[in-house]
Amino acid sequence: NAGVTQTPKFQVLKTGQSMTLQCAQDMNHEYMSWYRQDPGMGLRLIHYSVGAGITDQGEVPNGYNVSRSTTEDFPLRLLSAAPSQTSVYFCASSYSFTEFYNSPLHFGNGTRLTVT
Amino acid sequence: AQKITQTQPGMFVQEKEAVTLDCTYDTSDPSYGLFWYKQPSSGEMIFLIYQGSYDQQNATEGRYSLNFQKARKSANLVISASQLGDSAMYFCAMRPTGNQFYFGTGTSLTVIP
Repeated sequence: NAGVTQTPKFQVLKTGQSMTLQCAQDMNHEYMSWYRQDPGMGLRLIHYSVGAGITDQGEVPNGYNVSRSTTEDFPLRLLSAAPSQTSVYFCASSYSFTEFYNSPLHFGNGTRLTVT
Repeated sequence: AQKITQTQPGMFVQEKEAVTLDCTYDTSDPSYGLFWYKQPSSGEMIFLIYQGSYDQQNATEGRYSLNFQKARKSANLVISASQLGDSAMYFCAMRPTGNQFYFGTGTSLTVIP
């Protein structure tokens, strides 16, 4: 039972480079989301999706792009990396609120990204 | 506006004692869920306990219990008989009607032997 699989675990980028963080879940969850975690700021929502073909912005979407072509996958793209995007990134999934309102978020193990 | 507040950046507790981690929330939705997560130093996010807004009784899961006071909009986590392995960051989260989860800034708990 893999749950939420997130890759890579670590990444170092130079300013201006682009990259994609991969996220896949095998629990048939409709809801998927990306958070960034910075010291003292908790988890802030970047983008989320409530199903294949549907995405929406969260609290801090600038500089990031997402797509949801399948139920299982929800990649996060950094278009042109900046030092301010140095952070730990988490992908998380859940059943939709209308399916199971008490469904918790299941998290991947995180990606530690450093932009120099 | 939806908001979660954790006012204790850091807490200390003696091993085998109980500790309460505070969480207050703000939502106008009549239906919502409250969640607590643990993040040890290894970094993973571990789901601990859930409380629904219509639940009549406080949730319990082993040594974890949730002190839910709906009128005060608080959902404090109580850890009984603290163990060294309880040292971690703890996050409170809320899911109002809809799909988004809202997180607090977390409380760092240190268990002292």
